Amino acid sequence: DADVTQTPRNRITKTGKRIMLECSQTKGHDRMYWYRQDPGLGLRLIYYSFDVKDINKGEISDGYSVSRQAQAKFSLSLESAIPNQTALYFCATQDLGADTQYFGPGTRLTVL
Amino acid sequence: EDQVTQSPEALRLQEGESSSLNCSYTVSGLRGLFWYRQDPGKGPEFLFTLYSAGEEKEKERLKATLTKKESFLHITAPKPEDSATYLCAVEEPGTYKYIFGTGTRLKVLA
Repeated sequence: DADVTQTPRNRITKTGKRIMLECSQTKGHDRMYWYRQDPGLGLRLIYYSFDVKDINKGEISDGYSVSRQAQAKFSLSLESAIPNQTALYFCATQDLGADTQYFGPGTRLTVL
Repeated sequence: EDQVTQSPEALRLQEGESSSLNCSYTVSGLRGLFWYRQDPGKGPEFLFTLYSAGEEKEKERLKATLTKKESFLHITAPKPEDSATYLCAVEEPGTYKYIFGTGTRLKVLA
């Protein structure tokens, strides 16, 4: 089984809809991250969390919110989706005291 | 401003034709430079971490090196299965956040 899972893997939705992307991990890592990837722009950080009570905005948090339900679960919500939020979304985890981030398989989101 | 720049954007090689990918960075006090491989539609897969100038890491046909201003990912005698996008990242000092480059798309032709 994969250490970092994301659901759904693909989602098509309409402008104005609320969407939740979920990330679960079995690695036991405290730090979790949400990124989006767009062609030519690379990976950009949306939100990150160092533990259940510590949530921080990244460089592009506008239009997004997150919830850290447990050490193993970190969800990303788009309250009212818009077409320029069409992208690949990745969750990543990192252990305390370690440098390496490990990524999930991604969610391809299309907003029509 | 901390920044990571990768070149070239895209690279096409014949099988067996060795080459290098470049990652130049500007960050005050490097804590770590990371290389990832990303296949289409998949998440980045960790390859290497480098911490100090002069350090080298190897894995199969890949070797990563680090200087004070840049890192190289050398690919020796590549095979078609090495085709992927290679991403470079540095840790923003003191934050545990990564700054990613935009990647190099490598295509190895049989």
